Amino acid sequence: GQNIDQPTEMTATEGAIVQINCTYQTSGFNGLFWYQQHAGEAPTFLSYNVLDGLEEKGRFSSFLSRSKGYSYLLLKELQMKDSASYLCAVRTNQAGTALIFGKGTTLSVSS
Amino acid sequence: EAQVTQNPRYLITVTGKKLTVTCSQNMNHEYMSWYRQDPGLGLRQIYYSMNVEVTDKGDVPEGYKVSRKEKRNFPLILESPSPNQTSLYFCASSLGTARTDTQYFGPGTRLTVL
Repeated sequence: GQNIDQPTEMTATEGAIVQINCTYQTSGFNGLFWYQQHAGEAPTFLSYNVLDGLEEKGRFSSFLSRSKGYSYLLLKELQMKDSASYLCAVRTNQAGTALIFGKGTTLSVSS
Repeated sequence: EAQVTQNPRYLITVTGKKLTVTCSQNMNHEYMSWYRQDPGLGLRQIYYSMNVEVTDKGDVPEGYKVSRKEKRNFPLILESPSPNQTSLYFCASSLGTARTDTQYFGPGTRLTVL
């Protein structure tokens, strides 16, 4: 079966660092994506990992360990506008199904 | 501007009244997909299309139909909507399904079936 787990909710304060974890068990693995989704809006692409290690993109970094079925999204210097849901998604080997999504982590940033 | 568009953005309808949600992309993408998003359930795939005239069921296809007559358009059809189809719907497209192909999402259609 396919399973992607993320915490449902997290809270943090402006200027802090937060780490959002994602564990996955899928039939095959062809990459892991992180998306950001503000309430009522479309998901927007944040990062992509296919090899083990850390990918850095400005304030956001994403890490992958394929042997552990684990990824995290690291957000630094948090801003109020970072309050959103963060979706972990896995590309499997299953033909046609582009991405399997986790249920998302809602991050609330307070001042 | 490269984008995925959906219409309508908001729709309130009644049980049994057929409706179509349109989706169009201007990026010459081969792969298109429909998702529904419900609280606590996340994004679930309804149907997808690998190319023109090629469509297949996703995880939750019951009560929906799609067609792909042209590369840019991928309409979602609800022949007889029911209240359990009240949801937020997203169309998405990508170049293909290769490793690095990123999915781009439309703005969403909020559907309420009374």
